[in-house]
Amino acid sequence: DAKTTQPTSMDCAEGRAANLPCNHSTISGNEYVYWYRQIHSQGPQYIIHGLKNNETNEMASLIITEDRKSSTLILPHATLRDTAVYYCIALLIQGAQKLVFGQGTRLTINP
Amino acid sequence: AAGVIQSPRHLIKEKRETATLKCYPIPRHDTVYWYQQGPGQDPQFLISFYEKMQSDKGSIPDRFSAQQFSDYHSELNMSSLELGDSALYFCASSLRGNNSPLHFGNGTRLTVT
Repeated sequence: DAKTTQPTSMDCAEGRAANLPCNHSTISGNEYVYWYRQIHSQGPQYIIHGLKNNETNEMASLIITEDRKSSTLILPHATLRDTAVYYCIALLIQGAQKLVFGQGTRLTINP
Repeated sequence: AAGVIQSPRHLIKEKRETATLKCYPIPRHDTVYWYQQGPGQDPQFLISFYEKMQSDKGSIPDRFSAQQFSDYHSELNMSSLELGDSALYFCASSLRGNNSPLHFGNGTRLTVT
């Protein structure tokens, strides 16, 4: 699986959009980009995933660059409950795929 | 919607004792994964099962074993417990194929004294 690189930490004001970047310059054509988050001591929570096209769901939007070497997770209106560690993971398409958690970004939403 | 259920939520054991953690996947999910998360660490993959067969293996100690049963629930058995086994243990489940994301339970906190 391709290595991903994320900032160690970020801050965002409550109510503003939180934009979390992820670099995955070695990603292959059959690897998806997955985003998970972990709120303190809870189980990791699935957020969104995508291959080439931008994706949006009720939690977030995922913007993937055309060359697929980087992506940005957008939380449109961050709340205090969005404070968590966010993980960007590249994952092959087929089969039963385990997630390999890297460093992640510790996002703090400030009132 | 039904989620992954793990039991117990908390477990306290002494060194050299054994522990069994249980995981009940989301209905119709056929794949189960176990992760260990030590204090201040990221979750580390231990082992996974698909259709009751081991499908992948990570950094699982030989003292640990796991299996998936016919009803798809899974158990992680840990023997000769050591202080360093104190951690959060997460189970996740997914439906193989279709890029089905993994869904995690809220974990079992194991404390070894």
